[in-house]
Amino acid sequence: DQQVKQNSPSLSVQEGRISILNCDYTNSMFDYFLWYKKYPAEGPTFLISISSIKDKNEDGRFTVFLNKSAKHLSLHIVPSQPGDSAVYFCAASYTGTASKLTFGTGTRLQVTL
Amino acid sequence: GAVVSQHPSWVICKSGTSVKIECRSLDFQATTMFWYRQFPKQSLMLMATSNEGSKATYEQGVEKDKFLINHASLTLSTLTVTSAHPEDSSFYICSADSRTGWDYNEQFFGPGTRLTVL
Repeated sequence: DQQVKQNSPSLSVQEGRISILNCDYTNSMFDYFLWYKKYPAEGPTFLISISSIKDKNEDGRFTVFLNKSAKHLSLHIVPSQPGDSAVYFCAASYTGTASKLTFGTGTRLQVTL
Repeated sequence: GAVVSQHPSWVICKSGTSVKIECRSLDFQATTMFWYRQFPKQSLMLMATSNEGSKATYEQGVEKDKFLINHASLTLSTLTVTSAHPEDSSFYICSADSRTGWDYNEQFFGPGTRLTVL
């Protein structure tokens, strides 16, 4: 039972354009969401997070949007850079489970020149 | 940011042998550590949660007698894959959490260990 899903396994974007990565979840108890970036054979690195009390959080080139009614969140990267090429995972957690994370299936982003 | 290391970074072993993977928080004390497994092109699946000085909590479907977890100190957790089989070949990643409140940002991941069982 995949509670967190990323329906696009891959995405290709030109340098300078906006990258939009999407994530859907089914468990309405999730109240905290995170995005991680991962290179092959490395552990994930934290990018940005959002609490369910907010609908937007911004950090530099990265913005996460949360639509609770649709159980959907998205990560926007503007402008996209070649160094952003990696696999992006969204993850979800909920109060009472410490920081136990449920990860999505990942989206491979390729930023082309 | 905080640094988590794993050792070894890769290991090849024969079927039936046991392999120990270490996870260390280098510059902070980790009250909780997590062990994940990732198969090729798949998501990270949580295997177990370990708290220093207590028994690990395993996720459904993870055999606790096969994947032995020891969180002996606030900076070290070990995962031992006992009697390894080829289907145990995977990428194992640990994370460490120093959070005392509800700041979810404070989970830091190790670089992972690639296990190949022949």
